[in-house]
Amino acid sequence: DIAITQSPSSVAVSVGETVTLSCKSSQSLLYSENNKDYLGWYQQKAGQTPKPLIYWATNRRTGVPDRFTGSGSGTDFTLIINSVQAEDLADYYCEQYFVYPLTFGSGTKLEIK
Amino acid sequence: EVQLVESGGGLVQPGRSLKLSCAASGFTFSNYYMAWVRQAPKKGLEWVATISTSGSRTYYPDSVKGRFTISRDNAKSSLYLQMNSLKSEDTATYYCARQEGAGYFDFWGPGTMVTVSS
Repeated sequence: DIAITQSPSSVAVSVGETVTLSCKSSQSLLYSENNKDYLGWYQQKAGQTPKPLIYWATNRRTGVPDRFTGSGSGTDFTLIINSVQAEDLADYYCEQYFVYPLTFGSGTKLEIK
Repeated sequence: EVQLVESGGGLVQPGRSLKLSCAASGFTFSNYYMAWVRQAPKKGLEWVATISTSGSRTYYPDSVKGRFTISRDNAKSSLYLQMNSLKSEDTATYYCARQEGAGYFDFWGPGTMVTVSS
């Protein structure tokens, strides 16, 4: 099984700051035949359903603010949130869909100072 | 508008069975893989099962393989999860999710809570 490690487990930032969330995979998620990384990011606010943010590691879903940026390839990925807003308070999960069993990281809790 | 609505959750004793349902609307159900993802209280997300468009292929993690069965009725745009031999560690909110081919979950239902306890 592919293990996904997210760090930090929690982070606190002030409104307007930039935060970088890390997601590392135990094996490459890059499929050479289509040059795509099978990695997605989700946001889950307290008491709410997970919301898809990023797919194929770098593609922002329609309607997701452009302050959210996914980057990385292979085994190392990041979610960068520029100019953090109070509404970004949430848990963030990455997921690999390169192979079954599909696996999620344990999440990063974003707190606002 | 894509909508997924789960039902069937509740309190069940260990060792017993429960069947969850998910009613889908707003898209051509038969064109998509579908999945169940769960979240134990104050814990992270865990993928539980996936079914192909026709229902001919199903996928499970080891934690539920042999106990859970995912199925679908394309004529009714409905997804199901039969859960047998339930354990306390199966206690979670169960989400129905539309799966984009490879495995990205692009739409989620609000979830239904399952509590396994005596």
